[in-house]
Amino acid sequence: QKEVEQNSGPLSVPEGAIASLNCTYSDRGSQSFFWYRQYSGKSPELIMFIYSNGDKEDGRFTAQLNKASQYVSLLIRDSQPSDSATYLCAVANTGGFKTIFGAGTRLFVKA
Amino acid sequence: DGGITQSPKYLFRKEGQNVTLSCEQNLNHDAMYWYRQDPGQGLRLIYYSQIVNDFQKGDIAEGYSVSREKKESFPLTVTSAQKNPTAFYLCASSNRYQETQYFGPGTRLLVL
Repeated sequence: QKEVEQNSGPLSVPEGAIASLNCTYSDRGSQSFFWYRQYSGKSPELIMFIYSNGDKEDGRFTAQLNKASQYVSLLIRDSQPSDSATYLCAVANTGGFKTIFGAGTRLFVKA
Repeated sequence: DGGITQSPKYLFRKEGQNVTLSCEQNLNHDAMYWYRQDPGQGLRLIYYSQIVNDFQKGDIAEGYSVSREKKESFPLTVTSAQKNPTAFYLCASSNRYQETQYFGPGTRLLVL
């Protein structure tokens, strides 16, 4: 069974701090990795995707991928109360038609 | 504006009834997907379609059916065989050669 594991949280951080969200996956053949943000009652929205080992930065968000350790993370710098949401990690194999989603980590940013 | 629309936002099903959830996209994407989300759980794939007139079962296809007669449309029918249909249903699409999936706003299905 190919799996994507995330700590369910909640992860609580103060406003302005760095939030670190982690995800591990079991399929070594995975090629593409995604982070989605989902507000309560809403649909997921894409934050970032990463394909290669290393870091990828976009504004306050940094995705980190380590394929050898089968680990992908999302860092949110200068966390804001509006970042409070559930963050879903998604992993796709070649072709992307089978994307597996983790159950998500709930993030709470305290003002 | 390009995007994915789903209707209705809320849907109520009576026991023994089939209901159909609508999904339309104007992104010119080849691939479309249906997911089910239950509280505290990840998204589970019901069906997906890589191209018009073709679709494949996902992990939890039992009790569901789909069609893909037009590129823009991928309706999902929840049949009476689905005994526990209460969930949040999400439709997504992606360009055939890109793997990033974009989601519609979702339909929440409730059983009366």
